[in-house]
Amino acid sequence: KNQVEQSPQSLIILEGKNCTLQCNYTVSPFSNLRWYKQDTGRGPVSLTIMTFSENTKSNGRYTATLDADTKQSSLHITASQLSDSASYICVVTVNNAGNMLTFGGGTRLMVKP
Amino acid sequence: DAEITQSPRHKITETGRQVTLACHQTWNHNNMFWYRQDLGHGLRLIHYSYGVQDTNKGEVSDGYSVSRSNTEDLPLTLESAASSQTSVYFCATAPGLADNEQFFGPGTRLTVL
Repeated sequence: KNQVEQSPQSLIILEGKNCTLQCNYTVSPFSNLRWYKQDTGRGPVSLTIMTFSENTKSNGRYTATLDADTKQSSLHITASQLSDSASYICVVTVNNAGNMLTFGGGTRLMVKP
Repeated sequence: DAEITQSPRHKITETGRQVTLACHQTWNHNNMFWYRQDLGHGLRLIHYSYGVQDTNKGEVSDGYSVSRSNTEDLPLTLESAASSQTSVYFCATAPGLADNEQFFGPGTRLTVL
């Protein structure tokens, strides 16, 4: 069964600090991996996308990495801001499956002043 | 600007009642999806559509139905609401099978008493 596991489930950090969120997946065949940010009371919004051949992708202070051999991804947030408080969801697309996504349970990040 | 709207944003209903959640998009996307989001679970696919008159069951379709009479709308109906259907429901759209970023609506919080 295709699965996406994220850790930690929740995280509290101080403003200005860095953090790294983890994602392990067993989805096969793999097409791509996205990280979504979901603010409280809102729908998820895509931050980054990586295909099989990409190792890293940045979007401002967000940097995602992908190791397709070990089926692991991470999202690193640099110099965190209060507005980074949200849930971060790892989403893997199954290849040749018509837009089907497998979602992780998310990491809830709280940035405190 | 193109957008996805969901209505109502909040709904309280009683067990056994029929409930319809609306999703309207102005992206002109062919693909539309309904998900539910519960604590402890990633988003789970309920139903999806690849175009007008096309509907398909997702992972957790029991007790739900959809219809697609035009490109813009994919209403989700709970035939006889159950307490287990208390959840936050998200509608999403995507432009086609090759472009698999899904754009999410703001969500509807449904409580079944």
